Amino acid sequence: AQSVTQLGSHVSVSEGALVLLRCNYSSSVPPYLFWYVQYPNQGLQLLLKYTSAATLVKGINGFEAEFKKSETSFHLTKPSAHMSDAAEYFCAVSRGRYSTLTFGKGTMLLVSP
Amino acid sequence: DAGVIQSPRHEVTEMGQEVTLRCKPISGHNSLFWYRQTMMRGLELLIYFNNNVPIDDSGMPEDRFSAKMPNASFSTLKIQPSEPRDSAVYFCASQSTGSNTEAFFGQGTRLTVV
Repeated sequence: AQSVTQLGSHVSVSEGALVLLRCNYSSSVPPYLFWYVQYPNQGLQLLLKYTSAATLVKGINGFEAEFKKSETSFHLTKPSAHMSDAAEYFCAVSRGRYSTLTFGKGTMLLVSP
Repeated sequence: DAGVIQSPRHEVTEMGQEVTLRCKPISGHNSLFWYRQTMMRGLELLIYFNNNVPIDDSGMPEDRFSAKMPNASFSTLKIQPSEPRDSAVYFCASQSTGSNTEAFFGQGTRLTVV
């Protein structure tokens, strides 16, 4: 069985500050890991994905995430937050290339001026 | 491609009525997923199809829920009869089992059952 835990349902940062959204996973097999972003009244959009290649993954909009097997983590970071980054972020895990996704509960990122 | 297309975007219905949600996956994608999103439970997989065949429907909450995929370009999720606790945002996603591992999501249908 797989599961994802996102620590913190809400994270608040100031514009220009570092963004850190935490994700820990549980998987009985080497996982595939994803971060999706959801803007208000929109569907989910893929930010980045880890599929057993490089452990540091760069995504869109300046986001990146590092797969740490020893910590079973896949935290999402961005050096400098923009107002436009305000959205809900979901971490997800799957067992393989064509397996279904198991999502975390999501973290709402709030960015203040 | 226009992406995954869901209709309607919003649906308000009375308890007991039948509700049908529709999804058109991205052309060429052979996997299709239905998810439900609520504040309490987050994103839950309801059912997924591969090559129009239901592979796993263990997430379908009750017999009131049913899903079909009559062809590669269309799927429906039906709730009959609907109940207030079915109120949620329902997402459809599609994926190609080729080299791309990404699932693409539609914009969702916001269902309110009163």
